[in-house]
Amino acid sequence: EDQVTQSPEALRLQEGESSSLNCSYTVSGLRGLFWYRQDPGKGPEFLFTLYSAGEEKEKERLKATLTKKESFLHITAPKPEDSATYLCAVQAKGRRALTFGSGTRLQVQP
Amino acid sequence: EPEVTQTPSHQVTQMGQEVILRCVPISNHLYFYWYRQILGQKVEFLVSFYNNEISEKSEIFDDQFSVERPDGSNFTLKIRSTKLEDSAMYFCASSEAGGTGAPNQPQHFGDGTRLSIL
Repeated sequence: EDQVTQSPEALRLQEGESSSLNCSYTVSGLRGLFWYRQDPGKGPEFLFTLYSAGEEKEKERLKATLTKKESFLHITAPKPEDSATYLCAVQAKGRRALTFGSGTRLQVQP
Repeated sequence: EPEVTQTPSHQVTQMGQEVILRCVPISNHLYFYWYRQILGQKVEFLVSFYNNEISEKSEIFDDQFSVERPDGSNFTLKIRSTKLEDSAMYFCASSEAGGTGAPNQPQHFGDGTRLSIL
């Protein structure tokens, strides 16, 4: 059974204070690992797809990395508008279903 | 930017009643999905739909659930006889096809329908 564990559950940062979110996974052959952002009352918003260990993707203050067992979402010099829940999901080979983690709730204070 | 649209945003239904949740996927997408998120829990996969048939479903998606693409733009989820435990946020998603040898295409989500069963 595919599993995704995210840590920490919640993270409070000061504006400009960089940090990393962790996503550990077990999957029967990884087709892709996805990062989403979810604001309260909204659906998940796609951020990145990672396919293989060693891959990195960047978008503004966010950078996602992937190893064979985990992925990190690095947030550099965050701003209050980065406050959201960040979700990690895996997709197994031959499947379309995404298996989600519980998310990390990030709060960035001015 | 194209987006997935879901209606209604909130649906309140009596237990035992049928409910239909509606979605308009992104127009050039070929795969459609339903997920649900019970309050305080993870987002859970229900079903994927391609070429007018179910391509994959989870254990949650039992005989009480059905999906349909009634025309060229809508995608619906029907719950035949709702239970209290069906109360959740239901998300529709869609993706481009992406086949063997093609890059895996991300799923794009709507903002959900909050289903409340009384």
